[in-house]
Amino acid sequence: SQQGEEDPQALSIQEGENATMNCSYKTSINNLQWYRQNSGRGLVHLILIRSNEREKHSGRLRVTLDTSKKSSSLLITASRAADTASYFCATDRTAGGGNKLTFGTGTQLKVEL
Amino acid sequence: DAGVTQSPTHLIKTRGQQVTLRCSPKSGHDTVSWYQQALGQGPQFIFQYYEEEERQRGNFPDRFSGHQFPNYSSELNVNALLLGDSALYLCASSLKGRTPSTDTQYFGPGTRLTVL
Repeated sequence: SQQGEEDPQALSIQEGENATMNCSYKTSINNLQWYRQNSGRGLVHLILIRSNEREKHSGRLRVTLDTSKKSSSLLITASRAADTASYFCATDRTAGGGNKLTFGTGTQLKVEL
Repeated sequence: DAGVTQSPTHLIKTRGQQVTLRCSPKSGHDTVSWYQQALGQGPQFIFQYYEEEERQRGNFPDRFSGHQFPNYSSELNVNALLLGDSALYLCASSLKGRTPSTDTQYFGPGTRLTVL
């Protein structure tokens, strides 16, 4: 079953604008990761934020984590057409000697010229 | 630095058949996880292999089985295929057995399985 949900399900913006995606989850986590997927291909890892971190930056990406609200957000600044993709958040809960990622339902981002 | 590779890229099978998918982890990684992604959905965890043992399993029936080899590569086997098994199967690798380990899972391009 899905751990949580991304919001919105779909987002359409103009090139140069910022895009914000939100993710909610249900259980305690070790870390939360954001991935990008282009047209049903493999997932590309974007950024990992640990449960004791509140904010993290990587290039044009900014991720926040609020463990009290069990939510995270991904901000893409100055978007480009190449950012058009599906974005997933995934929570990592180490248990039983292994760790699995539990993915949300994804946000489809379309950046128009 | 070779990334995660998967084979084949596409596969078409009929109901009741069996299929084997293959995965080679990223260079230096020792842990392989498998995920199933149905159309329009997020990936669902199937299982994870480390030191040639299944370490954790998701909510999938016994028809789904796997194996990890001494060189860390892995296979996913699905028996008695159903129409609902049609999906993109993703393999991800990570590093558990050395310091520093990594929680980041790196994904391969996937195998698109169609069951007719």
